[in-house]
Amino acid sequence: DQQVKQNSPSLSVQEGRISILNCDYTNSMFDYFLWYKKYPAEGPTFLISISSIKDKNEDGRFTVFLNKSAKHLSLHIVPSQPGDSAVYFCAARRDRDDKIIFGKGTRLHILP
Amino acid sequence: DAGVIQSPRHEVTEMGQEVTLRCKPISGHNSLFWYRQTMMRGLELLIYFNNNVPIDDSGMPEDRFSAKMPNASFSTLKIQPSEPRDSAVYFCASSSRSGYNQPQHFGDGTRLSIL
Repeated sequence: DQQVKQNSPSLSVQEGRISILNCDYTNSMFDYFLWYKKYPAEGPTFLISISSIKDKNEDGRFTVFLNKSAKHLSLHIVPSQPGDSAVYFCAARRDRDDKIIFGKGTRLHILP
Repeated sequence: DAGVIQSPRHEVTEMGQEVTLRCKPISGHNSLFWYRQTMMRGLELLIYFNNNVPIDDSGMPEDRFSAKMPNASFSTLKIQPSEPRDSAVYFCASSSRSGYNQPQHFGDGTRLSIL
């Protein structure tokens, strides 16, 4: 039973355009959400997070939106750059829980 | 500032052999996590420790897998005997519990191939 779902295994976006990566979750007890970025042969690196008390968090070119009623979050990258080509993992945790549950990832290709 | 260090980076061995993966967490971090990444299951948590004590090992697939954390700066994940289906990338991550919602920091993983 997958609690965090990333339904798009891959996504291709033109350089300079907006990349939108989507994530759905099923557990209403999740209250903190994270996005990680992973390059080949490296470990995932933390990118941005959002608490359930917010609906938006922005950090430079990266913005995460949370829609609690729909149990949906998205990561927007504007403008997309070649170095953004990577696998992006959505993750979620419950309040005060050390464990985080990862989605299976979306591979983003930025096209020149 | 050193990150999480895992060794070896690659391991190729024959089925039935014992495999030991090693992890050095970031100094000062008191939570340590072992993950396995496969195409089919994605990134799944195997076990995690707080202050060197195993808290949740419900993700360990079977008794052939064991993990230890003898001190705050070292952990091992052991597979004995190994099987071809154990082939995967194994990640170690650490985090601090000193603040709320501290992110986990990952090592670069060990790519394990069991022949």
